[in-house]
Amino acid sequence: DIVMTQTPLSLSVTPGQPASISCKTSQSLVYGNGKTYLYWYLQKPGQRPKLLIYEVSNRFSGVPDRFSGSGSGTDFTLKISRVEAEDVGVYYCMQNMILSPTFGPGTRVDIK
Amino acid sequence: EAQLVESGGGLVQPGESLRLSCAASGFTFSNDWMYWVRQGPGKGLEWVSRISGDGGIRHYADSVKGRFTVSRDNAKSTLYLHMNSLTAEDSAVYYCTRGMASWGQGTLVTVSS
Repeated sequence: DIVMTQTPLSLSVTPGQPASISCKTSQSLVYGNGKTYLYWYLQKPGQRPKLLIYEVSNRFSGVPDRFSGSGSGTDFTLKISRVEAEDVGVYYCMQNMILSPTFGPGTRVDIK
Repeated sequence: EAQLVESGGGLVQPGESLRLSCAASGFTFSNDWMYWVRQGPGKGLEWVSRISGDGGIRHYADSVKGRFTVSRDNAKSTLYLHMNSLTAEDSAVYYCTRGMASWGQGTLVTVSS
């Protein structure tokens, strides 16, 4: 299985300030078709996970443009340009490149 | 807009079986891979299983292989997860997802004596 590592595991952010979460994978996520199957999710307290970013850098429908994804190969980053109070929760990266999709451990984000 | 509604969760004893259902609407169900993902109490997300649109391809996590079976009824737009030989480690909220994009609200499975 591909191992997903996220840093930091927790983050406390002042509203209006930027935030960044790193996701590293144990092997490259570039598939044979050239696509990279790396996703980002946010699970707000008491809610189901919601897709933010798919294939590294594509925002899912309805996701605010303050969220952006970048990276390649084995190193990926989720950035929030200006954190808002509604952004609190646990952020997960996930790979769906091989038979067994795997998630990172999650990064808990709260507001200072 | 895709909607997914899971059902069938509950309290069962170790060794027992359970069948989860996921009713889908708002999209052409037969076109999409469907997934089951679970989340143990206070834990992260764990992929469980997935099935192709026509049901011909099925994959399972090692932790459930041989005990769980995923299936679908495209005429009813419904996804299933048949779970046998349940243990306490299977206790979790089980989510169905459409291609890992849209998620249902989840159904809680508790395995305890």
